Amino acid sequence: ETGVTQTPRHLVMGMTNKKSLKCEQHLGHNAMYWYKQSAKKPLELMFVYSLEERVENNSVPSRFSPECPNSSHLFLHLHTLQPEDSALYLCASSQVAGDTPPLHFGNGTRLTVT
Amino acid sequence: ELKVEQNPLFLSMQEGKNYTIYCNYSTTSDRLYWYRQDPGKSLESLFVLLSNGAVKQEGRLMASLDTKARLSTLHITAAVHDLSATYFCAVLSNDYKLSFGAGTTVTVRA
Repeated sequence: ETGVTQTPRHLVMGMTNKKSLKCEQHLGHNAMYWYKQSAKKPLELMFVYSLEERVENNSVPSRFSPECPNSSHLFLHLHTLQPEDSALYLCASSQVAGDTPPLHFGNGTRLTVT
Repeated sequence: ELKVEQNPLFLSMQEGKNYTIYCNYSTTSDRLYWYRQDPGKSLESLFVLLSNGAVKQEGRLMASLDTKARLSTLHITAAVHDLSATYFCAVLSNDYKLSFGAGTTVTVRA
């Protein structure tokens, strides 16, 4: 149990589908993150929400749409994805930067776009 | 833009021997983190290094930070099989962005 739960663990979708990834944290943190992990590449920060407001969007294509309804939940809505979007998508949480604590990661959603 | 380089990217260890993973970064920072990831699993926080000269140890792993050299090392003493995993360093920039290295995949063989 990592304290950060992601669902689904695996997702296969076609390029015309719409799906959503879900993340829930049980740690009382107030910042949540989406990262993309592709083979042979460093983790890429996609989105950051601090106190439920988006504070970072690292030039992510609009086919990825985040939603943070409260401090415990984070979604990533997906539509008209491309095969190169296939990757492991990791959610993380932390307290807002101050003591700069480490991020706590979920187990990730393995996404395959066909 | 902060760049983080780890080397080696792949490390085959023999049980019982000592090894070091290096993490270099390109701009000033005094906040560095080490994570471990097992296949199909989440990233697990190993160490948080928050100042120049910081040294943390847990079991067979020891991490250190030299902010002047912009270098952190993860030293593995007497490697054992259950240390096989991918190890990431991550560096916090002055604008609170966390940049990760590409990871070092460690395999420990008998």
